[in-house]
Amino acid sequence: GAVVSQHPSWVICKSGTSVKIECRSLDFQATTMFWYRQFPKQSLMLMATSNEGSKATYEQGVEKDKFLINHASLTLSTLTVTSAHPEDSSFYICSALYMGEQYFGPGTRLTVT
Amino acid sequence: QKEVEQDPGPLSVPEGAIVSLNCTYSNSAFQYFMWYRQYSRKGPELLMYTYSSGNKEDGRFTAQVDKSSKYISLFIRDSQPSDSATYLCAMSGNDYKLSFGAGTTVTVRA
Repeated sequence: GAVVSQHPSWVICKSGTSVKIECRSLDFQATTMFWYRQFPKQSLMLMATSNEGSKATYEQGVEKDKFLINHASLTLSTLTVTSAHPEDSSFYICSALYMGEQYFGPGTRLTVT
Repeated sequence: QKEVEQDPGPLSVPEGAIVSLNCTYSNSAFQYFMWYRQYSRKGPELLMYTYSSGNKEDGRFTAQVDKSSKYISLFIRDSQPSDSATYLCAMSGNDYKLSFGAGTTVTVRA
C-alpha cells in the first residue's frame, strides 16, 4: 500500500520550453503533496507544498511563476517547469502525505539542453 | 549552519558489520525523525519513523533519538551487500515539511 507514481521518469527538453511532471497517489487519497528537487550528490530540498483545492505554498527562494503547481484532485499533483533552462536540470521528486507519513515517488530526471 | 548535519561519508564496511549513521540538528521545533534509504536515481524509501526520544527497533534496524542533544542515529546490524545505498536522515515539525541531511553513502563489501 501507499504507492506514489511519477510520470515521466525521465524527460529531455530544449531550453525555453515547458515541462509537466505528474505525481499520483495510486492507492490512497492525499490532501497534501510535496515537491522536492535533488541535484547530483546533494540531498533533497523542499520546493513547495501542494494542497488539494488551494494554492501551493513555496519555500523561500523558489520562483512560483517558474514552478507551477496544480493539485486538482486528491490523487494528482502536477509540477510544470516553465521556460526551462539548463540550470533547472535536476531530479524532481514528489511525496504524498498519508497517515502522518510521507511516501515518495520514484522521481523524474529532467535534462534541459 | 545547516538545519540538519549529516556526514556524507562514504562509509565502507565488510558484510556482517554494524553500520552506524548519525545526524545532528539545530531546530528545536523538529518533533518527527525519519531515516530513508535511497538507491541511485530512485525516490527515498522510508526505513524508520520516530517521534520521541529513545530507541526503536525494526528487524536489523535500530533508530535512536536524543532530543536533549539534538542527535539521532541509525544502526544496521548484520549488514548485507543489499544494504549498500545512500541513507538520509530527515525531520519535521507539525507542518510535515521535511528537512533532509546530506545523505551518507554506504557500501557493504561481500
